[in-house]
Amino acid sequence: SQTIHQWPATLVQPVGSPLSLECTVEGTSNPNLYWYRQAAGRGLQLLFYSVGIGQISSEVPQNLSASRPQDRQFILSSKKLLLSDSGFYLCAWGTGKTEQYFGPGTRLTVT
Amino acid sequence: GENVEQHPSTLSVQEGDSAVIKCTYSDSASNYFPWYKQELGKGPQLIIDIRSNVGEKKDQRIAVTLNKTAKHFSLHITETQPEDSAVYFCALWSGYALNFGKGTSLLVTP
Repeated sequence: SQTIHQWPATLVQPVGSPLSLECTVEGTSNPNLYWYRQAAGRGLQLLFYSVGIGQISSEVPQNLSASRPQDRQFILSSKKLLLSDSGFYLCAWGTGKTEQYFGPGTRLTVT
Repeated sequence: GENVEQHPSTLSVQEGDSAVIKCTYSDSASNYFPWYKQELGKGPQLIIDIRSNVGEKKDQRIAVTLNKTAKHFSLHITETQPEDSAVYFCALWSGYALNFGKGTSLLVTP
């Protein structure tokens, strides 16, 4: 069966510091991968998606970037965090325009 | 992307009652309609979905109905229990990713 992992689970970082969040998927090949952010409240905002290694599409211009160095690894990064980057970051995977499965999330607090 | 409107934003029911959440959309080409449940501090979990070739799908106490003509789909939870308390999201495909409704916070009181 497929599983998706995210780490760390929680992170507290000062403004201006770098960020690296990691997501890995097991049990499937060539998944589509996604990064979402969920700010206070409930909405899910799509940040990036990837349909293959090295292929990244950005949905919202911002202080973040994403990379996909391996087939089942997706990384979210920032060189300098802003207060507004605080939120709940969710990675998800899917194999087409049907089911999409989410990881457990990373709670990021920028102080 | 494809807009999906979700109502209500909050819903409070007594244990044992039914709960209904509705989503409306505009793109008639949409053909996959999932519902997610998100508990506090966790990632959203896919609980049920429906494809456009059927009008209703049931899984124990939850069901989803689809009206393609009217462009809306609904989540029905019967015999609600306190553990059903969570935020529920509907979603639609828009381009290469799911576009989510704003969520419904469901509270089931004992």
